[in-house]
Amino acid sequence: DSGVTQTPKHLITATGQRVTLRCSPRSGDLSVYWYQQSLDQGLQFLIQYYNGEERAKGNILERFSAQQFPDLHSELNLSSLELGDSALYFCASRPTGAGNTIYFGEGSWLTVV
Amino acid sequence: AQSVTQLGSHVSVSEGALVLLRCNYSSSVPPYLFWYVQYPNQGLQLLLKYTTGATLVKGINGFEAEFKKSETSFHLTKPSAHMSDAAEYFCAVTPANGQNFVFGPGTRLSVLP
Repeated sequence: DSGVTQTPKHLITATGQRVTLRCSPRSGDLSVYWYQQSLDQGLQFLIQYYNGEERAKGNILERFSAQQFPDLHSELNLSSLELGDSALYFCASRPTGAGNTIYFGEGSWLTVV
Repeated sequence: AQSVTQLGSHVSVSEGALVLLRCNYSSSVPPYLFWYVQYPNQGLQLLLKYTTGATLVKGINGFEAEFKKSETSFHLTKPSAHMSDAAEYFCAVTPANGQNFVFGPGTRLSVLP
């Protein structure tokens, strides 16, 4: 158990819909990362937050957005869903400090039908 | 900008044979280097990491990796493969300031009986 909690574990939804994925980081970790993993694209970095502020942005679509709340949990919002958005979405957290390990949650499986 | 390449998207070895998974990185600053493993339907977990000090680092499950600055490499090895080692392996790099945790594309390891 990494200490990073993601909900829901599985989600099936229709095209055009909107979903929210939730992440609780490890206790005390200020950094939260979101990744998308699909068979054809591999592990893609989406976005990073640090203590409530966006710190880095990767290959995140405009239809996707994220935020980190004062209690440090984070949400990834996916809207106008397309079939190609079907993937495993990982949240990860990391303690502050150079060289520290990034810890992954178990992921949220999203299937768009 | 940093990047990570992993030679071979799929590596097959026989049980008991040497495992060698290759990782090369590019970084404008001294990096910290990591290897993660992902078992089917699970999140990524840390195998080992290099930050400073001894360039040969040992990790869990008998894996080790050697940081070679002159070759910008951080190859992962295990003397004798076990069936349970079958998984996807990711190399990752981050600079000393802790930003931009970059993963390689991954190498799928198959272990044949």
